[in-house]
Amino acid sequence: AQSVTQLGSHVSVSEGALVLLRCNYSSSVPPYLFWYVQYPNQGLQLLLKYTSAATLVKGINGFEAEFKKSETSFHLTKPSAHMSDAAEYFCAVRGNNNNDMRFGAGTRLTVKP
Amino acid sequence: GAGVSQSPRYKVAKRGQDVALRCDPISGHVSLFWYQQALGQGPEFLTYFQNEAQLDKSGLPSDRFFAERPEGSVSTLKIQRTQQEDSAVYLCASSLFGTGGGGELFFGEGSRLTVL
Repeated sequence: AQSVTQLGSHVSVSEGALVLLRCNYSSSVPPYLFWYVQYPNQGLQLLLKYTSAATLVKGINGFEAEFKKSETSFHLTKPSAHMSDAAEYFCAVRGNNNNDMRFGAGTRLTVKP
Repeated sequence: GAGVSQSPRYKVAKRGQDVALRCDPISGHVSLFWYQQALGQGPEFLTYFQNEAQLDKSGLPSDRFFAERPEGSVSTLKIQRTQQEDSAVYLCASSLFGTGGGGELFFGEGSRLTVL
């Protein structure tokens, strides 16, 4: 069964600094991978997804993620953090033959002025 | 509708009461999912529908939990004899495609259940 592990439940960066949120996946077949963002009292919003078309995926709000099969990773990055990026971020995996999407435990991003 | 709509947004129930949570998915979406999100945790899968068929209910925590989607559109998650451990946000999501993966899920804002 597919699963994802997010390293670090809390990440704090200064405004303008690099954002790096880590995600490693476990899958016996090439998976579909996703990053979602959740603001307080809201549902999850898709940032980007990997579906094997390209290993470097660009998403909304300046975020991008790189699929690295050799490292079974799909880390999320953004060159320069904004205050508005403060939120909870979830990595998720969906297998080709599986119906459901499995989520990591989440990483809370704090942006300091 | 334009997005996934859930109601009620907030529900307070006394222990032992039954509750019903409604989800109205994006029009035309084949797949519908229910997730449970405890405070500070990621969403945990509960159940999945493809049209009106409930194809996977392996995540339902007990037989007190029941979900239906009788006409392949609106879905209801029912929790009988609520317990304090049922307190969580219940997220509904829909997806355009059925099996085959690849498609993203579109989420509603959730229904926050508090059991006293």
